[in-house]
Amino acid sequence: GAVVSQHPSRVICKSGTSVKIECRSLDFQATTMFWYRQFPKQSLMLMATSNEGSKATYEQGVEKDKFLINHASLTLSTLTVTSAHPEDSSFYICSVGSALNTEAFFGQGTRLTVV
Amino acid sequence: ILNVEQSPQSLHVQEGDSTNFTCSFPSSNFYALHWYRWETAKSPEALFVMTLNGDEKKKGRISATLNTKEGYSYLYIKGSQPEDSATYLCASYSSASKIIFGSGTRLSIRP
Repeated sequence: GAVVSQHPSRVICKSGTSVKIECRSLDFQATTMFWYRQFPKQSLMLMATSNEGSKATYEQGVEKDKFLINHASLTLSTLTVTSAHPEDSSFYICSVGSALNTEAFFGQGTRLTVV
Repeated sequence: ILNVEQSPQSLHVQEGDSTNFTCSFPSSNFYALHWYRWETAKSPEALFVMTLNGDEKKKGRISATLNTKEGYSYLYIKGSQPEDSATYLCASYSSASKIIFGSGTRLSIRP
């Protein structure tokens, strides 16, 4: 299966700063990557679908200006949390997959804490 | 059902015993049902991708069934081992490209 590397695994930032999270598909050309967020004791919630070379598709309720997604190549998608606030503290994880009826491959996740 | 619901939330099983848990999902516009195993500090790992009503899949001691008409899937683990301890997630994929994850069932195996 595909190997997905997500970086950083943990980050602590100050309120008002921006944080970039990288998701790399090491051996799979990913035209589509998915970004999820998980709050404590809740399920993974799809935030957006990242499309290589075009704009990301955001789920309802997710602010696109707050969570900037760039998918400039087939192996890299980035999620930037802009002007982070404590309520953005969460677990963020990416996945890649060729189709909805095939398995997805996940990164290791990023634990973001905004202080 | 509009959400994906998994039950129970957590489960403690004696080593060697068999166990099962449930994933309920929206049956309308169904496209695929995924099961993942998520061990602490690791990435979720795919177990099964199921698409057909009545589907049964097996991987070693783990198997799963699918009922798309009533919107549920069961995951079975036979002869539980300590390495089976993990959170088991299911995710429903609809034809509208909607992906909804359940909250997971946290399984702990007692030696």
